[in-house]
Amino acid sequence: EVQLVESGGGLVQPGGSLRLSCSASGFTFSRYAMHWVRQAPGKGLEFVSSIGGNGEYTHYADSAKGRFTIYRDNSKDSLYLQMTSLRPEDTAMYHCVRDSGSFDCWGQGTQVTVSS
Amino acid sequence: QAGLTQPPSVSKGLRQTATLACTGNSNNVGNQGAAWLQQHQGHPPKLLSFRNDHRPSGISERFSASRSGNTASLTIAGLQPEDEADYYCSAWDSSLSVWVFGGGTKLTVL
Repeated sequence: EVQLVESGGGLVQPGGSLRLSCSASGFTFSRYAMHWVRQAPGKGLEFVSSIGGNGEYTHYADSAKGRFTIYRDNSKDSLYLQMTSLRPEDTAMYHCVRDSGSFDCWGQGTQVTVSS
Repeated sequence: QAGLTQPPSVSKGLRQTATLACTGNSNNVGNQGAAWLQQHQGHPPKLLSFRNDHRPSGISERFSASRSGNTASLTIAGLQPEDEADYYCSAWDSSLSVWVFGGGTKLTVL
């Protein structure tokens, strides 16, 4: 069974940092591009970042450029999102998503709250 | 980054057919097509279709997707109570090199 389990979220002050992790199982992790997609409370879906199966490319939303870094460790079947200079508008549920043609498998998400 | 355009809400009766629209431009929907996701309250989204009309295994044939120009559509036939959910479209934008989402359509089954 394909599983994606996120961790690392929490409450952080504006300007702070967090590292999100996503542990994958049930599939050959390195064969798939992966995404981070977030959803603010009561709002729609927002693309954050993508990475190729071997890290050969990365893409970032404008809101994430210069502040967030996506990376992966295929030896650990894990995806990461390093977030710095966090702002209140970054408050959201962050989902790790597998790409098999599109956003085909989603984790339950980890909640990030940026507040003083 | 500008997203795709979806109507905020659609209401249809039980066993009727609903068609949800998603409008983009030639760099996204009109280029590589759209994907559709369904999200029930409190749950992560579920992929219903991708590249316009490809349906993942396990997705009911009542869900069908298509595209005409820069507009993608999701048609849900024989509406059931469990179809009441939020529906999002998404597409790769080759000009911006990002994925873009629509704002979502809340489908109500009367």
